[in-house]
Amino acid sequence: SAVISQKPSRDICQRGTSLTIQCQVDSQVTMMFWYRQQPGQSLTLIATANQGSEATYESGFVIDKFPISRPNLTFSTLTVSNMSPEDSSIYLCSVVEGGETQYFGPGTRLLVL
Amino acid sequence: GEDVEQSLFLSVREGDSSVINCTYTDSSSTYLYWYKQEPGAGLQLLTYIFSNMDMKQDQRLTVLLNKKDKHLSLRIADTQTGDSAIYFCAEKTTDSWGKLQFGAGTQVVVTP
Repeated sequence: SAVISQKPSRDICQRGTSLTIQCQVDSQVTMMFWYRQQPGQSLTLIATANQGSEATYESGFVIDKFPISRPNLTFSTLTVSNMSPEDSSIYLCSVVEGGETQYFGPGTRLLVL
Repeated sequence: GEDVEQSLFLSVREGDSSVINCTYTDSSSTYLYWYKQEPGAGLQLLTYIFSNMDMKQDQRLTVLLNKKDKHLSLRIADTQTGDSAIYFCAEKTTDSWGKLQFGAGTQVVVTP
């Protein structure tokens, strides 16, 4: 199974600042995704990170707030811009392998003060 | 629309079997997944089942799928304290590569 790492694992940030989260996979994967898990909640898909083109965002998420890069088949970044306390969440990177199995990274725990 | 529902809490004694239930509404689901989230950790894929199967067994885990009733369950045999976690049911529909619809999660507490 794909091994996914994320950096940072956690951070505490001030409102109005931005944080970039990195996701690294140990193998080339076609599909990479970013999810958000708000405190005590389930997971919600933010966007699909497309290699070589702009990310595809889900309803309620916009590029200006969550810009995503996908420079190659093993790496992606998600930036949380102009943060507010409502952005305090766990952000998880995910990949699909073999068309049926979907794996998640360990998550980045973000607290915005 | 898409909706996945789970009971929020389950308490079970060590050594007993746990059964976690999940219902979904999208009849076009292709795969259904069970993930485990321990405190402070990410999501661990436990098992998954293809929609044309009724049952899948993997060591202590048994997944049952009733497609007619859109009901999925996860049975954990001989539950251990290390099984204490939040368990998420998720469905993947045919037109949503990578977009899993998650339930709210079931908190399982294993007592000695």
